Amino acid sequence: SQQGEEDPQALSIQEGENATMNCSYKTSINNLQWYRQNSGRGLVHLILIRSNEREKHSGRLRVTLDTSKKSSSLLITASRAADTASYFCATGDTGRRALTFGSGTRLQVQP
Amino acid sequence: DTAVSQTPKYLVTQMGNDKSIKCEQNLGHDTMYWYKQDSKKFLKIMFSYNNKELIINETVPNRFSPKSPDKAHLNLHINSLELGDSAVYFCASGEGDSPLHFGNGTRLTVT
Repeated sequence: SQQGEEDPQALSIQEGENATMNCSYKTSINNLQWYRQNSGRGLVHLILIRSNEREKHSGRLRVTLDTSKKSSSLLITASRAADTASYFCATGDTGRRALTFGSGTRLQVQP
Repeated sequence: DTAVSQTPKYLVTQMGNDKSIKCEQNLGHDTMYWYKQDSKKFLKIMFSYNNKELIINETVPNRFSPKSPDKAHLNLHINSLELGDSAVYFCASGEGDSPLHFGNGTRLTVT
């Protein structure tokens, strides 16, 4: 089974609205990262939150981490059409040396 | 000045053939990875090399053989291609817990 699972699988909103994506994971982690993938391109790192952090901001992005619930959320505020992409969470756990990804949330922002 | 570059971008071949995908990174990272992304966008680790040494080898058929001639290169050779090998293959590099840098992927189609 997957380590990271994003919810919802797909999200369609209007420009200017906020988009919230959730991620759940199973094992102990050192950090959790969010990545973005535009169609036909590789993944691009957005933000990293460590296991001892609860919230982190970067521009229009806000990430929360609840290690007791093994979950994280990514909030994109004031969305733009250019935010249309797939968003993945990835966990770096205590034993492995590679990030484990989920299947992503496909975000569509309508202009 | 592409950080992680992989070639070719598209690869269409017939069942039973042998093919290679090349990856190079100019970031000076010690660790390189191959990930496979299936049709449902799920991204799964295949291999990881640290300074030319294989450190992760997930449950991948032994038809797949990674080769790292130096720490800036990690190539993937696939023997006896099967229909189920059709996917997008991503190379990535990283250092410790820092974010990964991905190439733009190689879309492999086996007919």
